[in-house]
Amino acid sequence: AQSVTQLGSHVSVSEGALVLLRCNYSSSVPPYLFWYVQYPNQGLQLLLKYTSAATLVKGINGFEAEFKKSETSFHLTKPSAHMSDAAEYFCAVSDRSPTSGYALNFGKGTSLLVTP
Amino acid sequence: DSGVTQTPKHLITATGQRVTLRCSPRSGDLSVYWYQQSLDQGLQFLIQYYNGEERAKGNILERFSAQQFPDLHSELNLSSLELGDSALYFCASSALPGPPYEQYFGPGTRLTVT
Repeated sequence: AQSVTQLGSHVSVSEGALVLLRCNYSSSVPPYLFWYVQYPNQGLQLLLKYTSAATLVKGINGFEAEFKKSETSFHLTKPSAHMSDAAEYFCAVSDRSPTSGYALNFGKGTSLLVTP
Repeated sequence: DSGVTQTPKHLITATGQRVTLRCSPRSGDLSVYWYQQSLDQGLQFLIQYYNGEERAKGNILERFSAQQFPDLHSELNLSSLELGDSALYFCASSALPGPPYEQYFGPGTRLTVT
């Protein structure tokens, strides 16, 4: 089954600084890739997704991610962090096979802390 | 608000008991997914239904079962509960399985087994 690895369970940035959350996938065939955000006591919200169109994907709230096949990576970035970005971020992968039901396999998550 | 509703929001029960979690997908969505989020295992896919039929299975225990009804709502049944079943259970729905159709997540049901 497809899997993703998120490097860093906790990331701390200052308000206004660059946000970089790392995600690597394990597959020889590029899968579908996603970034989700989870705010405290809430469900997951999709930030962006890669489905083999453009390699640079723009999402909501100013986030974007770049798919790099050579590095098997799909890192999430935001140029300037806001206090409201503090949350748990999950990278997820979905197999391209219909038999998988396109269910999501999630990474362990990265908790983003934004300091004033 | 994703449009996916889950009830109850919280559930506290004892070991050995049986509970039912309910999910109503977004209007028009045919596909329902169940996920479990725990500190030990993280977010795990349990099972998927599409238009009333089971489509895919993940790491779902034999003590757990699910179904999707003709009105498309889904129920996850957990029996012979153990302490380790304490977790947040999410339901997600999508119009059809697979991209470009996004999975929309409900707010979850927090299950505490004592």
